[in-house]
Amino acid sequence: NAGVTQTPKFQVLKTGQSMTLQCAQDMNHEYMSWYRQDPGMGLRLIHYSVGAGITDQGEVPNGYNVSRSTTEDFPLRLLSAAPSQTSVYFCASSSGQGSSGANVLTFGAGSRLTVL
Amino acid sequence: AQSVTQPDIHITVSEGASLELRCNYSYGATPYLFWYVQSPGQGLQLLLKYFSGDTLVQGIKGFEAEFKRSQSSFNLRKPSVHWSDAAEYFCAVGAGSGGSNYKLTFGKGTLLTVNP
Repeated sequence: NAGVTQTPKFQVLKTGQSMTLQCAQDMNHEYMSWYRQDPGMGLRLIHYSVGAGITDQGEVPNGYNVSRSTTEDFPLRLLSAAPSQTSVYFCASSSGQGSSGANVLTFGAGSRLTVL
Repeated sequence: AQSVTQPDIHITVSEGASLELRCNYSYGATPYLFWYVQSPGQGLQLLLKYFSGDTLVQGIKGFEAEFKRSQSSFNLRKPSVHWSDAAEYFCAVGAGSGGSNYKLTFGKGTLLTVNP
């Protein structure tokens, strides 16, 4: 199994450009989420989804859109990139089923985004 | 709202020495608690988790953590540190059940340096 796959690994954008960070998982997990990691800030939740067609906002959703048309994919869209969105982005998934699996997140390798 | 505090931003230990990384959480009910480790340029890997039961939990790579409800703490320990343990460590808390069961709140991380 590939687990959680994120693309691209690196991206440089100019202010105002748009792009989509892709995330795919092959574990049939219902729960998927996007976090951003900034130095000294830990990981902060951007958006999450508890199943196909269901998304909700996390702690820092402004400037980002998501959709969940399939169980496998959860893309993160930046409609008009800003320098404040320079960060490392992590996608994570979880089965969220039962006490042994609940909340155990499997992370992707990350996508490093620089906005100039 | 749940929160996590990791009081130590950076810890340096000598190889072979014991290690304790501190984590304090704030949550109104019984929390789900986690420790994740991140090696440079990598995603996050789960070290161990606490859901219920025995308050001393064992994880991978020889790590253990103890849940102390009275102190709202979940400190990570290792009796003898190896150079390969150098990484950043994140404590996280999640809700025990319900719709917010899937949203983890992370601490800001503790960077561990291991001297030879």
